[in-house]
Amino acid sequence: DAKTTQPPSMDCAEGRAANLPCNHSTISGNEYVYWYRQIHSQGPQYIIHGLKNNETNEMASLIITEDRKSSTLILPHATLRDTAVYYCIVRVAGAAGNKLTFGGGTRVLVKP
Amino acid sequence: DAGVIQSPRHEVTEMGQEVTLRCKPISGHDYLFWYRQTMMRGLELLIYFNNNVPIDDSGMPEDRFSAKMPNASFSTLKIQPSEPRDSAVYFCASSPTGRDNEKLFFGSGTQLSVL
Repeated sequence: DAKTTQPPSMDCAEGRAANLPCNHSTISGNEYVYWYRQIHSQGPQYIIHGLKNNETNEMASLIITEDRKSSTLILPHATLRDTAVYYCIVRVAGAAGNKLTFGGGTRVLVKP
Repeated sequence: DAGVIQSPRHEVTEMGQEVTLRCKPISGHDYLFWYRQTMMRGLELLIYFNNNVPIDDSGMPEDRFSAKMPNASFSTLKIQPSEPRDSAVYFCASSPTGRDNEKLFFGSGTQLSVL
């Protein structure tokens, strides 16, 4: 699976959009981009995933660049409960039993 | 559904003792994963099962660790003998085949402290 690079931490203001970048310059054509988050003392939680088209669900939006070498997770209106570590993961869909390899993630602190 | 259920939530034991962690996956999910999380190493995949069969145990640190899945609704991770460096949070996760097969659903974890 391709490696990802994320900033170690970032702050954002409550009520504002949070834009979390992820670099995956070695991504292959059949690899998807996944985002998970881990709130303190809880297990990781799936947020969203995509291949090349932008995706949106009730939690967030995922914007993938045309060359697919980077992506941005957007939390449209951050709340204090969005404070968490956010993981960007790249892997082939359906491969190897859906196992995920987590990197260091971005520690996001939402401030009032 | 109650989600993935892990027990105990916290475990404190002394070095050399046997530790057994338990997991009940979401009903109907046929993949089960055991992860370990520490400050130094982050989240590491230890082993995963498909239809109760271990598929990849390359992440299991050493022979002191063993995992079983006797049926579709139960799995155990055993450490014997335990050592202080095994202190970590152990997560179990499950995922389905078919709809939502791209998502892993994690339990709340077991915080293990080996003194």
